[in-house]
Amino acid sequence: RKEVEQDPGPFNVPEGATVAFNCTYSNSASQSFFWYRQDCRKEPKLLMSVYSSGNEDGRFTAQLNRASQYISLLIRDSKLSDSATYLCVVNIVTAGSARQLTFGSGTQLTVLP
Amino acid sequence: NAGVTQTPKFQVLKTGQSMTLQCAQDMNHEYMSWYRQDPGMGLRLIHYSVGAGITDQGEVPNGYNVSRSTTEDFPLRLLSAAPSQTSVYFCASRSLETEAFFGQGTRLTVV
Repeated sequence: RKEVEQDPGPFNVPEGATVAFNCTYSNSASQSFFWYRQDCRKEPKLLMSVYSSGNEDGRFTAQLNRASQYISLLIRDSKLSDSATYLCVVNIVTAGSARQLTFGSGTQLTVLP
Repeated sequence: NAGVTQTPKFQVLKTGQSMTLQCAQDMNHEYMSWYRQDPGMGLRLIHYSVGAGITDQGEVPNGYNVSRSTTEDFPLRLLSAAPSQTSVYFCASRSLETEAFFGQGTRLTVV
């Protein structure tokens, strides 16, 4: 089982739609959580951190459920520029006490005109 | 703002050749990592370092070496390139609890 699993996608949605991505993680010792965005052939960039109480940044809302080991990202009023791959990222404490960022395989979103 | 600088951006190698991918960061981050990304797959950790002089293996370390002689630099060496190492390589740096910042990537083709 992968440590971080995401909806496989791809998601094709019309402009203005609301779309939600889900992510589950297997290591209960995971300490921090992020959503990254990766445009085609570019490096991943931080979209937002995910806090226990849930957090919002404009049209983007992230939620964390530690009991279910589940993270979500909601995008409202989708724009063409939101088309990208969204990566779920979990900061996991390893056996050597180092903390490693583990990436999901990503969910591809295409917003259609 | 330089951030994470990764070179080269593109490279073609012949099977059996060796080369070094360079990575430098100017944010004084303790953690640096190398990932590879293959089509349809997520980022897989090759090697990482938690500080100068300290390195460790990630998920897919075979065929690669790293060193961390300074806080700023974390080069990745391919010892004897194989077609299976054709991939996009990303270097990343971060502080202990913060997000990672990535270099622009190196697109490597081994023929």
